[in-house]
Amino acid sequence: AAGVIQSPRHLIKEKRETATLKCYPIPRHDTVYWYQQGPGQDPQFLISFYEKMQSDKGSIPDRFSAQQFSDYHSELNMSSLELGDSALYFCASSLGLAGSDTQYFGPGTRLTVL
Amino acid sequence: EDQVTQSPEALRLQEGESSSLNCSYTVSGLRGLFWYRQDPGKGPEFLFTLYSAGEEKEKERLKATLTKKESFLHITAPKPEDSATYLCALDSGGGADGLTFGKGTHLIIQP
Repeated sequence: AAGVIQSPRHLIKEKRETATLKCYPIPRHDTVYWYQQGPGQDPQFLISFYEKMQSDKGSIPDRFSAQQFSDYHSELNMSSLELGDSALYFCASSLGLAGSDTQYFGPGTRLTVL
Repeated sequence: EDQVTQSPEALRLQEGESSSLNCSYTVSGLRGLFWYRQDPGKGPEFLFTLYSAGEEKEKERLKATLTKKESFLHITAPKPEDSATYLCALDSGGGADGLTFGKGTHLIIQP
């Protein structure tokens, strides 16, 4: 079965640079979530989109922004990167709001900020 | 504020030695409780969703149960390949709300 696709899988950036992470949800899933997982930590919710509209917002820094496109893929844009942004970034997708709400996670993007 | 507490933080078992992992929670309105398995450096892998007290679900050597205050993940006769971090998460809001995760239980099954 098709899964959530994330790219790139690994990304190395310098402080103050920008980064863009991409997420392609499971086919027919219309809801996308972004999570950040620091070393030894549990995943922390950042932001979610349903039908291309922002649905919920968690602990996302103002330096980060995200959007969902007409084909339902999503991008997380991160600016003025800091050392503390080094983490695994996961995207998850689910089918709508009234149907199955199980979130299926992608393999993640490992971001290293030097 | 929703809270999820998992115990123990780490558990080491011999192959075939059954045990249970605990997830205690406080939430204003539970929409669903989820169990995930996570291997190092990989994304959480969905295991179970439980919606109401008294519900039970099974998959191979795993069985998840739910009460009004906690959930248990029972593992029967585990094998080394069951070694992973097991995460419990809550969905307490409406719409596309993010999950609130516990810190996880790091499970090691020794052959």
